[in-house]
Amino acid sequence: QAHLQESGPGLVEPSGTLSLTCTVSNGFISENSYWSWVRQPPGKGLEWIGQVYHSGSANYNPSLRGRVTISIDKSRNQFSLILNSVTAADTAVYFCARHGGYNQDYWGQGNLVTVSS
Amino acid sequence: EIVLTQSPGTLSLSPGERATLSCRASQSVSNAYLAWYQQRPGQAPRLLIYGASNRATGIPDRFSGSGSGTDFTLTISRLEPEDFAVYYCQQYIRSPPGYTFGQGTKLEI
Repeated sequence: QAHLQESGPGLVEPSGTLSLTCTVSNGFISENSYWSWVRQPPGKGLEWIGQVYHSGSANYNPSLRGRVTISIDKSRNQFSLILNSVTAADTAVYFCARHGGYNQDYWGQGNLVTVSS
Repeated sequence: EIVLTQSPGTLSLSPGERATLSCRASQSVSNAYLAWYQQRPGQAPRLLIYGASNRATGIPDRFSGSGSGTDFTLTISRLEPEDFAVYYCQQYIRSPPGYTFGQGTKLEI
């Protein structure tokens, strides 16, 4: 069973860069699988940010394209999210998740990131 | 862009009752691409149903999914106290590859 854990700063300044890492346990990162980031603004619904394949190829939500990069480092059992030029609208709980087919079957517990000066 | 609309926004029921949650797509969605999640306060979403009607591992059989095309339903046959949560439907989009969620249905006591 995969275990995922997000890590990164809880506070980012406006116009700065949000950077999060998801560490995956037990070698699951080496599977032929997709890995996603999903976010949830306080009191609101879920938004898919993007995904990375074990090969390193990535797809992004069109609404965020140009600001977001997702990468994978299998040697460290990690995949990462970078979001540039953040504003208060990017304040959210950020979840990492593993794909089990056309869905996400294992999730991290979430990391709240607040954009504020 | 295919939009998922969930109804009702809030559903008020009691333990032991039956819950029926709706997810309507603006265009036809393949059953294989439709999933349902449960999210309890302060927790990550949990996969309940995939492929429109298949229960995920460890999900009780009181949860069932049905539907096709543009109309999908999540049914909880007899509500338990732990079932009061927010439920989201999700679709996979083939081109460009990605996912969208419905806005959620809050199931409250």
